[in-house]
Amino acid sequence: DSGVTQTPKHLITATGQRVTLRCSPRSGDLSVYWYQQSLDQGLQFLIQYYNGEERAKGNILERFSAQQFPDLHSELNLSSLELGDSALYFCASSVDGNTQYFGPGTRLTVL
Amino acid sequence: GQQLNQSPQSMFIQEGEDVSMNCTSSSIFNTWLWYKQDPGEGPVLLIALYKAGELTSNGRLTAQFGITRKDSFLNISASIPSDVGIYFCAGQLRTGGTASKLTFGTGTRLQVTL
Repeated sequence: DSGVTQTPKHLITATGQRVTLRCSPRSGDLSVYWYQQSLDQGLQFLIQYYNGEERAKGNILERFSAQQFPDLHSELNLSSLELGDSALYFCASSVDGNTQYFGPGTRLTVL
Repeated sequence: GQQLNQSPQSMFIQEGEDVSMNCTSSSIFNTWLWYKQDPGEGPVLLIALYKAGELTSNGRLTAQFGITRKDSFLNISASIPSDVGIYFCAGQLRTGGTASKLTFGTGTRLQVTL
């Protein structure tokens, strides 16, 4: 158990819909990272937050957004969902910015 | 998106054998990490490397941070059935202050037979 929690574990929705994925980092970690894992693209970095502020951005679509709240939990919002958004979404956290610990992931299926 | 070149893509070995895999990049990294992922689970951190040339062990696992900072190697000695899974390398680039991101390799699928 990495100490990073993610909910829900599974999410099934339809194209065009909007969903919110939630992540709670390890106790004491200020940084939260979001990654997408798909069969054809592998694990891809989406975005990083540090203590409530956006710090680094990867290949995140404009339809996707994230935020980190004062209690340090983070949410990833995915809107106008397409079939190709089906993937595993992982959250990771870090205290020192060097080593990242991953949560169990949310499997999103868009039908 | 960018992925690091990881080889071999898959390995099918017998219990007790040693395993080697490597990861290469066209650009340098500040940190190299090795993760193991079981189906449907999140990646689990195995080893972290912070300096070029560094050699670090974690039980039967040994990893090295390449001198050029563009590659890393992972060795597993005396493999056992629970070593089955997908192994990913990841390079970390600190982009300034508290900003950082991981770039992952394509993965090595390891299967171990008795």
